[in-house]
Amino acid sequence: EPEVTQTPSHQVTQMGQEVILRCVPISNHLYFYWYRQILGQKVEFLVSFYNNEISEKSEIFDDQFSVERPDGSNFTLKIRSTKLEDSAMYFCASSAQGYEQYFGPGTRLTVT
Amino acid sequence: AQRVTQPEKLLSVFKGAPVELKCNYSYSGSPELFWYVQYSRQRLQLLLRHISRESIKGFTADLNKGETSFHLKKPFAQEEDSAMYYCALKRPGGSYIPTFGRGTSLIVHP
Repeated sequence: EPEVTQTPSHQVTQMGQEVILRCVPISNHLYFYWYRQILGQKVEFLVSFYNNEISEKSEIFDDQFSVERPDGSNFTLKIRSTKLEDSAMYFCASSAQGYEQYFGPGTRLTVT
Repeated sequence: AQRVTQPEKLLSVFKGAPVELKCNYSYSGSPELFWYVQYSRQRLQLLLRHISRESIKGFTADLNKGETSFHLKKPFAQEEDSAMYYCALKRPGGSYIPTFGRGTSLIVHP
């Protein structure tokens, strides 16, 4: 069964550094999403992406974040200048028709 | 603003006992609610949605608009039901993006 994959599984970075989190959505899916979950807190929506552009974003998704689909398979989340409070689990998800979402296993980002 | 509240961080039961995972929501429009589950070392996945009125793995959930609740129930818990359960409310607008509750960890003891 096809699955969403994410790399790396764990990323450690220093405050102020840029990080890129990578996701490979399910191949025939058209809708892509990023969520994050700070330890002990809720899963929070960051951004959705459809037809090569952002379709919706939350108030968390500020100018330090960007998303890209650089080729036909990858979907990336870039954090330009990481802060300590960006430490979280980041989940990618994809959907065929914008309805049921399939989640990846997550990338744990630790900012030191 | 919409909000999902799961009052219990942890629910611990014995195998065969009934389970009820509580979820309350606040939303001014017509709500669409979901339950997601995350088993240990597995990914978050959709368990059920209220509009389909289905039973998945023996779980059911009924939307009660009067009490603004969407509790998840199972009459006889199994050890394999142990997982993190998240109640979620569809964000306003056309897209099916969930607003999640904090989650309840269900532990089913043998």
